[in-house]
Amino acid sequence: GIQVEQSPPDLILQEGANSTLRCNFSDSVNNLQWFHQNPWGQLINLFYIPSGTKQNGRLSATTVATERYSLLYISSSQTTDSGVYFCAVAGNQFYFGTGTSLTVIP
Amino acid sequence: KAGVTQTPRYLIKTRGQQVTLSCSPISGHRSVSWYQQTPGQGLQFLFEYFSETQRNKGNFPGRFSGRQFSNSRSEMNVSTLELGDSALYLCASSLGYEQFFGPGTRLTVL
Repeated sequence: GIQVEQSPPDLILQEGANSTLRCNFSDSVNNLQWFHQNPWGQLINLFYIPSGTKQNGRLSATTVATERYSLLYISSSQTTDSGVYFCAVAGNQFYFGTGTSLTVIP
Repeated sequence: KAGVTQTPRYLIKTRGQQVTLSCSPISGHRSVSWYQQTPGQGLQFLFEYFSETQRNKGNFPGRFSGRQFSNSRSEMNVSTLELGDSALYLCASSLGYEQFFGPGTRLTVL
């Protein structure tokens, strides 16, 4: 299967700081998505981004498919950004990374 | 448009019992996938159904099974429950490649 590695595993930020989360994957993929898992377990779609760059408010993402990585940028972080961020890629099935646990402190 | 719904949201069972979880996809979505999330193993793919046929299967024992109905609703069943089956079970529906997840069913096996 496709290996998906996320870094860093844990991140603690002061409110207002910026951060970059990285996702490396081991093979060509049809799909790449970023999710935020809330404290109740639901996966919230952030980006569907198999290639290119997208922005949504304070969040943006870039996927360089030829180099097999994606980056999620969070600017001006808020306490509500806390949680686990997952990258997932699709080959013949959906493969998840192990996540980045983000804590934003006031 | 309503999102993916899963029932029940919480479930407590004892070892040896069986359990059935239900998932209703977003209207118009024909693909439904199931995932298990545990602290030790992370998020793992169980299986995918499309138009009532299992299209893909992860690496889980035969105790885990599923089906999909003609209205695209899906159920998964776990027989002879083990303590290690305690997990959050997530269902996702898709029209193309993008997946949308339900709130999950948290299963505790005692």
